[in-house]
Amino acid sequence: DQQVKQNSPSLSVQEGRISILNCDYTNSMFDYFLWYKKYPAEGPTFLISISSIKDKNEDGRFTVFLNKSAKHLSLHIVPSQPGDSAVYFCAASVVQGAQKLVFGQGTRLTINP
Amino acid sequence: EAQVTQNPRYLITVTGKKLTVTCSQNMNHEYMSWYRQDPGLGLRQIYYSMNVEVTDKGDVPEGYKVSRKEKRNFPLILESPSPNQTSLYFCASRPQGLAYEQYFGPGTRLTVT
Repeated sequence: DQQVKQNSPSLSVQEGRISILNCDYTNSMFDYFLWYKKYPAEGPTFLISISSIKDKNEDGRFTVFLNKSAKHLSLHIVPSQPGDSAVYFCAASVVQGAQKLVFGQGTRLTINP
Repeated sequence: EAQVTQNPRYLITVTGKKLTVTCSQNMNHEYMSWYRQDPGLGLRQIYYSMNVEVTDKGDVPEGYKVSRKEKRNFPLILESPSPNQTSLYFCASRPQGLAYEQYFGPGTRLTVT
């Protein structure tokens, strides 16, 4: 039972254009969402997050959008740079309790020069 | 430098030979957890610990043990490894409270033959 789903295993984008990574979730109890970035041979690193009381959060070139009614979030990267090539994981959590993170399968983003 | 360290980084072993993967963090974090990453499945939580001597099962605990005798260390023990435990393992930590961003170690690639 995959509660957090990233349906695109890979995405290829030209340098300078916008990259849009998508994530869907099924558990309506989730109220905090995060994106992690992972380079080969390294652990995931935190990128950006959003609380369910918001629908948008920006940090430089990265913006996360949350659509609670559709149980969908997306990560926009503008403009895309070669260093953005990595695997991106979305994750969701419930504020109360153990605050466990539930991860999606990941999307491999490749930025082409 | 604030970090989570794991050892070993790579390990090839045989079925049934007990092994321990160590994890240590220098950030005084209360919360620590172990994940495994498998193709198409993302990161799945194995065990987590809210503090010293407090541990609990994650989503895929079968075949694993953990202990938390000191705040900084959270070893993962495979008493009798099997080939289906071949995977990439990550340890993570974060402070207690409303802080969902976990800090991950570099990963341990385990192969069980």
